[in-house]
Amino acid sequence: NAGVTQTPKFRVLKTGQSMTLLCAQDMNHEYMYWYRQDPGMGLRLIHYSVGEGTTAKGEVPDGYNVSRLKKQNFLLGLESAAPSQTSVYFCASSRRDEQYFGPGTRLTVT
Amino acid sequence: SQQGEEDPQALSIQEGENATMNCSYKTSINNLQWYRQNSGRGLVHLILIRSNEREKHSGRLRVTLDTSKKSSSLLITASRAADTASYFCAFDRGSTLGRLYFGRGTQLTVWP
Repeated sequence: NAGVTQTPKFRVLKTGQSMTLLCAQDMNHEYMYWYRQDPGMGLRLIHYSVGEGTTAKGEVPDGYNVSRLKKQNFLLGLESAAPSQTSVYFCASSRRDEQYFGPGTRLTVT
Repeated sequence: SQQGEEDPQALSIQEGENATMNCSYKTSINNLQWYRQNSGRGLVHLILIRSNEREKHSGRLRVTLDTSKKSSSLLITASRAADTASYFCAFDRGSTLGRLYFGRGTQLTVWP
C-alpha cells in the first residue's frame, strides 16, 4: 500500500517549457487535490477533484490545468512555465475529511 | 484571505516542555484539523475536531476549539526532539466537499 505517490520528485524547467506532474493514490479515494507551498505562505489549493472526470478551481488556478481521467490519478499540467511557478507541489487525496499527502515535487523555473 | 492564521510563527523549547500553538480563522467551519510536516516531507494528519466538539485528545496531543472566538489550540505535552516540525491548522468550511483552507504554520523546534 504505497498511499499517495508523486512523479517526478525534482524538476528544473526553463521559462516557457511545459510539463506534467503525476499524482497516484491506491486508497480508492474520491477526492484529490493539488497544492503549492511557498515560503511563508502555507499551502494554497491550485485545483481539486471530487471524483473521476471532475475538476474544480482552487485558490490559485491560473497557469495550471488538471485532468482526472482515472480515479486513482490526478495530473497537473503547466503549459508555459514561469519563474513565479517555482514552488513545491503537493498532491493529496481523501475519502472525506482527513487528507493524505504525497512527498512533494520541487519545481524550479529559470 | 480565507486561510487560517497560526501563532506563534516559530516556537523553540526544551525536551520535556509543553508546546502550545494557536490557530484563528474568520468563517464558520465544519471541522478543524492539524497537520505536521517534517522538513522536506509531505504533511501528515494529526487530529480532527468537529465544530460541535470543544476538546479532543490523541496520545500527547490535546486540541481545543472555541467557535465563538473562531480559534483553536494544539498542545503537545512532554515534547521530544522528534516533534521538531512545522504544524499547520486547516479548516473545512463545509460548503465544498473536502476542501481545506490551511494556515501558514508554526515552526516548532525541540532541543535535546
